[in-house]
Amino acid sequence: SQTIHQWPATLVQPVGSPLSLECTVEGTSNPNLYWYRQAAGRGLQLLFYSVGIGQISSEVPQNLSASRPQDRQFILSSKKLLLSDSGFYLCAWSVSGGEKLFFGSGTQLSVL
Amino acid sequence: EDQVTQSPEALRLQEGESSSLNCSYTVSGLRGLFWYRQDPGKGPEFLFTLYSAGEEKEKERLKATLTKKESFLHITAPKPEDSATYLCAGTQGAQKLVFGQGTRLTINP
Repeated sequence: SQTIHQWPATLVQPVGSPLSLECTVEGTSNPNLYWYRQAAGRGLQLLFYSVGIGQISSEVPQNLSASRPQDRQFILSSKKLLLSDSGFYLCAWSVSGGEKLFFGSGTQLSVL
Repeated sequence: EDQVTQSPEALRLQEGESSSLNCSYTVSGLRGLFWYRQDPGKGPEFLFTLYSAGEEKEKERLKATLTKKESFLHITAPKPEDSATYLCAGTQGAQKLVFGQGTRLTINP
């Protein structure tokens, strides 16, 4: 069966520090991979999605970037965090060509 | 602009008190309407996908329905463990879902 791992669960970072969140999927090949952000009281906002290694689509201009160095690995990064980057970050996957998403457990990021 | 709007934002029910959550969408060329359940501090968990007006799907005390403009999540005789935030999302395809803000449901024993 397929599983998705996302870490860390909680992260507190100072403004201006770098960020790296990692997500890996097991039990499937060539998945679509997604990064979403959920701000308090707001819906899920799609940040990036990827349909293959090295292929990244950005949905919202921002302080963040994403990379997919391996088929089942998706990384969310920032060189310098802003206060506005605080939120609940979710990684998700779907089968290639599908829209049904399976989410990881999320990372609560607080930028202070 | 594609948009998904959920109402109410929050709903508090007594155990056994049935109700419905609403999801209205303006996603042109809608190819699918999804319902998810999200517990506090966790990722959303898939519940249902609906593809065409008139379609219905059920799972335990939950039933999802779809019309041309909106979807409803009916909760029959809810229990405290049904307390969660329920999210709906629409898609035109292209591997992207547009999510609503969610309805926070609380079931009091």
